[in-house]
Amino acid sequence: VQLVESGGGLVQPGRSLRLSCTASGLAFGDYAMSWFRQAPGKGLEWISFIRSNNYGGTTGYAASVEGRFTISRDDSKSIAYLQMNSLKTEDTAMYYCGDSSGFYWGQGTMVTVSS
Amino acid sequence: DIQMTQSPSSLSASVGDRVTITCRASQDITYYLNWYQQKPGKAPNLLIYHASKLETGVPSRFSGSGSGTDFTFTISSLQPEDFATYYCQEYHDLLFTFGPGTKVDFK
Repeated sequence: VQLVESGGGLVQPGRSLRLSCTASGLAFGDYAMSWFRQAPGKGLEWISFIRSNNYGGTTGYAASVEGRFTISRDDSKSIAYLQMNSLKTEDTAMYYCGDSSGFYWGQGTMVTVSS
Repeated sequence: DIQMTQSPSSLSASVGDRVTITCRASQDITYYLNWYQQKPGKAPNLLIYHASKLETGVPSRFSGSGSGTDFTFTISSLQPEDFATYYCQEYHDLLFTFGPGTKVDFK
């Protein structure tokens, strides 16, 4: 099983970025997926999940990102996305995707929000 | 929302020591608790799920116990590769809140 995040980079405050999490080696459509982040030198923070479409594909968000971030999935491509809008400097972090059980994690993609 | 606390925030120990970390939830989460190990620059690694179930391939020196609001994570005999930060995480309310972490370093 491999999860590979992509799409991170340097972005100005107020701008948008879309992260992708490409999965291989697992029946992606059967898994609920989550995004997590870790600011430099700080602890882990869960930010969003999306259930399998078998369970309605419902989503959830942490209060810190609700209304600004949107999670989605494309099971035909085995990809989970995180659309991040209205980015703030405090969104600077390593972003990880993982299955919602916590067993599978990617290696992360760094997002830096700075002018 | 459920709040998670961990204690201590850091500890210094030697190889062979028994290490215990506690995690407390602000409300009853039954047994919906994970424990992770994270090393610098790496993604977290799931060690314990359902509060006490050892993930496949994880050494038996790691264990977890507890239910409700109070949980314990133990390393029975600390090994050199165990120096890391450990996090608890609840998954009772689908907000997947993490504890603040416990850093285990060399005495």
